[in-house]
Amino acid sequence: KAGVTQTPRYLIKTRGQQVTLSCSPISGHRSVSWYQQTPGQGLQFLFEYFSETQRNKGNFPGRFSGRQFSNSRSEMNVSTLELGDSALYLCASSPPTSGLSTDTQYFGPGTRLTVL
Amino acid sequence: KNQVEQSPQSLIILEGKNCTLQCNYTVSPFSNLRWYKQDTGRGPVSLTIMTFSENTKSNGRYTATLDADTKQSSLHITASQLSDSASYICVVFLYGGSQGNLIFGKGTKLSVKP
Repeated sequence: KAGVTQTPRYLIKTRGQQVTLSCSPISGHRSVSWYQQTPGQGLQFLFEYFSETQRNKGNFPGRFSGRQFSNSRSEMNVSTLELGDSALYLCASSPPTSGLSTDTQYFGPGTRLTVL
Repeated sequence: KNQVEQSPQSLIILEGKNCTLQCNYTVSPFSNLRWYKQDTGRGPVSLTIMTFSENTKSNGRYTATLDADTKQSSLHITASQLSDSASYICVVFLYGGSQGNLIFGKGTKLSVKP
């Protein structure tokens, strides 16, 4: 069974641009969560989607948005990029039970975004 | 304030030795606590998940303990191997939420030297 895949793996953008990251969950998984990881802050939760609906959202500005498609693939968009948005962006998918917090999460390899 | 603190921040040990990583949390309401291993340049991989009623859980050479009274958890690694070199992240999930209600520790970076 293929794992969680994220594209692209690396991305370089300049301030003010926007970026879209993609995440394909494990086949059959319906919950997809996004995280930002930086050396200073560690891992921080961005948002979670389940069956095309945003179910939870972290404390990030509105420049960060996401969506989920009917095939459970998810995209994350960051508009008006800032230098501080440079980070590893991880997505994780969970089994198709109820998305309860005891479900195991499977992480993708991440997308390394650099903002110049 | 919900917080998860891990110690030490970094640790260097010799191959074959044991080590213990600590995680203290002030999270309420508590649902479960997880330990993840993250190799450099890769996504985290789940090692253990423990609910309120579980005290110990093992996964091979990794043994996690949870003391819900003192709100402390530890991850013990036995007979360390070079492949154990990674960051170990403690995560606490809040009760009643889905995958989104979680608090991350900043991790312990473990280096195993030959």
